[in-house]
Amino acid sequence: GQNIDQPTEMTATEGAIVQINCTYQTSGFNGLFWYQQHAGEAPTFLSYNVLDGLEEKGRFSSFLSRSKGYSYLLLKELQMKDSASYLCAVRETAGNMLTFGGGTRLMVKP
Amino acid sequence: DVKVTQSSRYLVKRTGEKVFLECVQDMDHENMFWYRQDPGLGLRLIYFSYDVKMKEKGDIPEGYSVSREKKERFSLILESASTNQTSMYLCASSLVSGDAYNSPLHFGNGTRLTVT
Repeated sequence: GQNIDQPTEMTATEGAIVQINCTYQTSGFNGLFWYQQHAGEAPTFLSYNVLDGLEEKGRFSSFLSRSKGYSYLLLKELQMKDSASYLCAVRETAGNMLTFGGGTRLMVKP
Repeated sequence: DVKVTQSSRYLVKRTGEKVFLECVQDMDHENMFWYRQDPGLGLRLIYFSYDVKMKEKGDIPEGYSVSREKKERFSLILESASTNQTSMYLCASSLVSGDAYNSPLHFGNGTRLTVT
């Protein structure tokens, strides 16, 4: 089984940087995904990490430490449109399923 | 772009009714999934399917069944709807390939089901 934890809510200011953390415990690990979900819409894929280190994609970066069971999503130069929920999901070595954390609701204020 | 289409955006059903939620994807994906999303609980996997006529239970299959008669279509069935099945239901699909494990899920827009 898996246990995935992330903060429920965060608030940040437009133009700033915010880091959303995710910790996980799993019997087997085969990748960690971050998704963005705006209210009333479908989750959309942001990033994937399977090896330790930082993956950068424009204003968004995602970091993974497998030994610590830890990941974070870093959002730079925050924009109002970044107000959304951010979902951390872990894939086990067995199977092709993702297990999701509860999501972090980010509010960006002017 | 991958498109995953769920037949209804909103549904209201009565307790005890049989409910069908339909999902269609247009990218020839092998894998299809049904999740429900509830505040504070995140997305929880109900059922998934690796291929036509194949199905596997997820974390919370009780009270649900599924059908995959065609590759592009995955149906979720509530045999006898109950109020605790009021939720947002999300369908997703993904590709299976040699590098399958980084294949992301593509989600539909969801069906908000209310059981009264």
